[in-house]
Amino acid sequence: KQEVTQIPAALSVPEGENLVLNCSFTDSAIYNLQWFRQDPGKGLTSLLLIQSSQREQTSGRLNASLDKSSGRSTLYIAASQPGDSATYLCALLRGTSGSRLTFGEGTQLTVNP
Amino acid sequence: KAGVTQTPRYLIKTRGQQVTLSCSPISGHRSVSWYQQTPGQGLQFLFEYFSETQRNKGNFPGRFSGRQFSNSRSEMNVSTLELGDSALYLCASSLQYRDSMGYEQYFGPGTRLTVT
Repeated sequence: KQEVTQIPAALSVPEGENLVLNCSFTDSAIYNLQWFRQDPGKGLTSLLLIQSSQREQTSGRLNASLDKSSGRSTLYIAASQPGDSATYLCALLRGTSGSRLTFGEGTQLTVNP
Repeated sequence: KAGVTQTPRYLIKTRGQQVTLSCSPISGHRSVSWYQQTPGQGLQFLFEYFSETQRNKGNFPGRFSGRQFSNSRSEMNVSTLELGDSALYLCASSLQYRDSMGYEQYFGPGTRLTVT
């Protein structure tokens, strides 16, 4: 059974700091990994998608990496801003699961002005 | 291009009632998945529909059901509501062709269901 763990569960940083969010998974047989952002009471916003054959993806101040052999992915946020405050979730798609995503518990990020 | 839409956005029901939630995927998307999100359990997969067929099902009781129409819009139904069904229900759509996977998934804003 695929398990996804996100560390830390919560993180508070001052504005401008660079930070890394971690996601680990037990089964390396994944098809892709997706990072999402969720604001309180809202839906999920897709940030980055990494195919299993890729090592990283970048979008603006965000960079996500994937290391299947070690079962890890990281989301790097450069020059954090208060508007980055949200819960960040990683989710895995297994090769045989259709569209079924397995989610981590999320990291709640607070960026203080 | 319009995103995934869900109606209604908020719903209050009484125990024992039933409820129907609706999800309209992004135009051209054929796969629709449903998730339940609660503070204690996080995001739990309910089911997925593709071309009007249920392709995957999570570990939820039979009170939870769904369907997909020919235009890819999907509904989920919960019968005999329980207090524990209070949650944010999210649907996601993705552009998937038969026998091909790996496309990015897009989520709607969710329906907040409160059962009293």
